[in-house]
Amino acid sequence: EAGVVQSPRYKIIEKKQPVAFWCNPISGHNTLYWYLQNLGQGPELLIRYENEEAVDDSQLPKDRFSAERLKGVDSTLKIQPAELGDSAVYLCASSSRGRRGTSGDGYNEQFFGPGTRLTVL
Amino acid sequence: QKEVEQNSGPLSVPEGAIASLNCTYSDRGSQSFFWYRQYSGKSPELIMSIYSNGDKEDGRFTAQLNKASQYVSLLIRDSQPSDSATYLCAVRSFRGSARQLTFGSGTQLTVLP
Repeated sequence: EAGVVQSPRYKIIEKKQPVAFWCNPISGHNTLYWYLQNLGQGPELLIRYENEEAVDDSQLPKDRFSAERLKGVDSTLKIQPAELGDSAVYLCASSSRGRRGTSGDGYNEQFFGPGTRLTVL
Repeated sequence: QKEVEQNSGPLSVPEGAIASLNCTYSDRGSQSFFWYRQYSGKSPELIMSIYSNGDKEDGRFTAQLNKASQYVSLLIRDSQPSDSATYLCAVRSFRGSARQLTFGSGTQLTVLP
């Protein structure tokens, strides 16, 4: 079974330029997450999708960040314009919605893609 | 206070020893707890999940959960150099109606040959 796929793996851009990241979750996983990870820190959630609906985007800086998951499968995260402080690893993860008996709260484990390392110059 | 706290390390143990990694969390309503391993330059990889108080064993890994003390730990028996990585504790907490996985900053483990 294929894991979470992300592209590109690396991206170097100049500040004020736009950039987009793409994610394809594990087949059958209806929940998709975008995380940001800075060096020496744990991942921080940016947005969570249940199918095509963004159900938690409180951490997404909406002035420059946007995301979409139009058909409830693939997702795109965009930054426009990029700033120096946006340099980080952008991780996509997915999970299935399990039965309550599976995990105690109805959500199964999250599996991460390889990430996109963004460098803003 | 951070929602999920871990000692950043680095933690060094000799090969064959037991490595003990600790994590505390602040949300008493949390029900799901996870340990991820992250090699340098790679993405987090799920290695253990635990939902009930007590111990859960999987091979050389044992996760321990104590909800009353809001404490979760990971023991790695017979540590190998290949276990050298950063270990992330993650807790599913609730912010309003949102179920969010919150990560600690990770503990860097080095297993010395």
